[in-house]
Amino acid sequence: QKEVEQDPGPLSVPEGAIVSLNCTYSNSAFQYFMWYRQYSRKGPELLMYTYSSGNKEDGRFTAQVDKSSKYISLFIRDSQPSDSATYLCAMTGQSGYSTLTFGKGTMLLVSP
Amino acid sequence: EAGVAQSPRYKIIEKRQSVAFWCNPISGHATLYWYQQILGQGPKLLIQFQNNGVVDDSQLPKDRFSAERLKGVDSTLKIQPAKLEDSAVYLCASSRASQETQYFGPGTRLLVL
Repeated sequence: QKEVEQDPGPLSVPEGAIVSLNCTYSNSAFQYFMWYRQYSRKGPELLMYTYSSGNKEDGRFTAQVDKSSKYISLFIRDSQPSDSATYLCAMTGQSGYSTLTFGKGTMLLVSP
Repeated sequence: EAGVAQSPRYKIIEKRQSVAFWCNPISGHATLYWYQQILGQGPKLLIQFQNNGVVDDSQLPKDRFSAERLKGVDSTLKIQPAKLEDSAVYLCASSRASQETQYFGPGTRLLVL
């Protein structure tokens, strides 16, 4: 079993839809959870950063962490064609030099 | 603030040849990372530097890959000799300190024929 599982998609939605992206993980040592967005032929850029369980909202984006289920989600409201990209979940442990473990990424396509 | 710079952007080589990639991190960032991203996969950490010292190189194939960060600023990643399975995007990232936000460069796309 991989440490981080993420459905690669592609996920196709119409403009304005609510998008739900998810990852599951197996390592209970993970404490910090991130979502990165990666446009084609670009490096990943950090979208959301959360610690521990709960919700965090930033504009149209909401990140949700359920540590008891080892499950994290990213919700995108009122999706736009400019949101079309690959979304990577990433997580890391508590220690100062813990490395990031990434999911495979989910490709999202938002059609106008 | 300038972002992470990488060069070249693209490289095509034949197997068994050698290749080198260069990274210039964001000014003042102490931590530098090299990742390998194979098509359809998430980035995988190859090596992490704290200033000019190696913190983690546990996933670096040391028989063919090497990296250095002289003077704690720029870094180079070398592959010698290259194999077909090394075809990937090599991403450099930097952060002010470990556990802080990592900023990624655009990557170098390597194709080994």
